[in-house]
Amino acid sequence: KQEVTQIPAALSVPEGENLVLNCSFTDSAIYNLQWFRQDPGKGLTSLLLIQSSQREQTSGRLNASLDKSSGRSTLYIAASQPGDSATYLCAVTGYFGNEKLTFGTGTRLTIIP
Amino acid sequence: DVKVTQSSRYLVKRTGEKVFLECVQDMDHENMFWYRQDPGLGLRLIYFSYDVKMKEKGDIPEGYSVSREKKERFSLILESASTNQTSMYLCASSSSIWDREGSGTEAFFGQGTRLTVV
Repeated sequence: KQEVTQIPAALSVPEGENLVLNCSFTDSAIYNLQWFRQDPGKGLTSLLLIQSSQREQTSGRLNASLDKSSGRSTLYIAASQPGDSATYLCAVTGYFGNEKLTFGTGTRLTIIP
Repeated sequence: DVKVTQSSRYLVKRTGEKVFLECVQDMDHENMFWYRQDPGLGLRLIYFSYDVKMKEKGDIPEGYSVSREKKERFSLILESASTNQTSMYLCASSSSIWDREGSGTEAFFGQGTRLTVV
């Protein structure tokens, strides 16, 4: 059974710093990995999707990498801003016939002004 | 803009009531999912559907049922609501288009329904 872990559970950094969030998964037979952002009391917003054949994806100040062989992904946030404060979740999807997402428990990020 | 819409943001129901949570997507996606999210437990899959009238149990289906009569709509039903079903419920959809480049299957979520059972 696929298990997804995110460490740390919470992270506080001063505004302007670059930071890395980590995600690890136990079964490397994944089709894609997706990073989400969740604000308190709200739904999930998709940030980046990495297909299993890709190594990384970029969107603005965000860069996500994927290493299937080691079962790891990182989300890099450059020049952090207070508006980046949220919970960040990663989720993996299996191949055809197993498209359900398996989630990590998230990292709660606080950017200190 | 892609959209997954849940019928209610907040619901308060009494123990024993039958509760319907509705979810509609406008992206012609094959797959639809219902998750619940609780502090310390993360997101747990209740049910998912990969086609009209098709459904599969997730990790915690007990006390729930689902209905998918049309491709765009996926309903979660609490047959007899209990206080331990107080939670945030999240609906999602994704495509099953497997093309040569491997694109697609990005999942999109609704805004969530905060259900309180009293």
